[in-house]
Amino acid sequence: RKEVEQDPGPFNVPEGATVAFNCTYSNSASQSFFWYRQDCRKEPKLLMSVYSSGNEDGRFTAQLNRASQYISLLIRDSKLSDSATYLCVVNHNSGYSTLTFGKGTMLLVSP
Amino acid sequence: DAGITQSPRHKVTETGTPVTLRCHQTENHRYMYWYRQDPGHGLRLIHYSYGVKDTDKGEVSDGYSVSRSKTEDFLLTLESATSSQTSVYFCAISEVYNEQFFGPGTRLTVL
Repeated sequence: RKEVEQDPGPFNVPEGATVAFNCTYSNSASQSFFWYRQDCRKEPKLLMSVYSSGNEDGRFTAQLNRASQYISLLIRDSKLSDSATYLCVVNHNSGYSTLTFGKGTMLLVSP
Repeated sequence: DAGITQSPRHKVTETGTPVTLRCHQTENHRYMYWYRQDPGHGLRLIHYSYGVKDTDKGEVSDGYSVSRSKTEDFLLTLESATSSQTSVYFCAISEVYNEQFFGPGTRLTVL
């Protein structure tokens, strides 16, 4: 059983491209959703929370589809600095804040 | 960045020796977590704490123990280190239902 599934990639895109990642989760009772970014040999850092209505932060847009149990992340106008692994994260537990992490999708942006 | 430090940042030890990793926070968050990250597995929860002296097991707790005697400190102990415990260990903090914030990690090698 795998609760959070992501395409591992890598996604190779040129600068300026638009790229989208999807993530599926198995527990329909999941409460909250996040995208984290992890650079090589660094800690994961919160990129954005994902709200039911969808949300946007600059070049990044996150969407949630509860009916189909998937989350998406869209990156517009890719920068070299966007190269990283993007982790889809789901909070399955309605009590404590225990998160389940996907294995991540690697993005490589080239000049 | 959240005020989380981990010590040591790197450690090499031998099989059978005890090892203690420390996580220290200055954010006064209630919840603290220990994860390990290995290739092909992503982040997996070892133990977590929901208050001083209140801890519980995560997904991969065998061979690990924890203690939290103060809000700001969460210790992870490998009673008798094995080679399978070679990994990168991340500490994280959160408030209920909120995002988790990660420390810089400890790279542990067990020879």
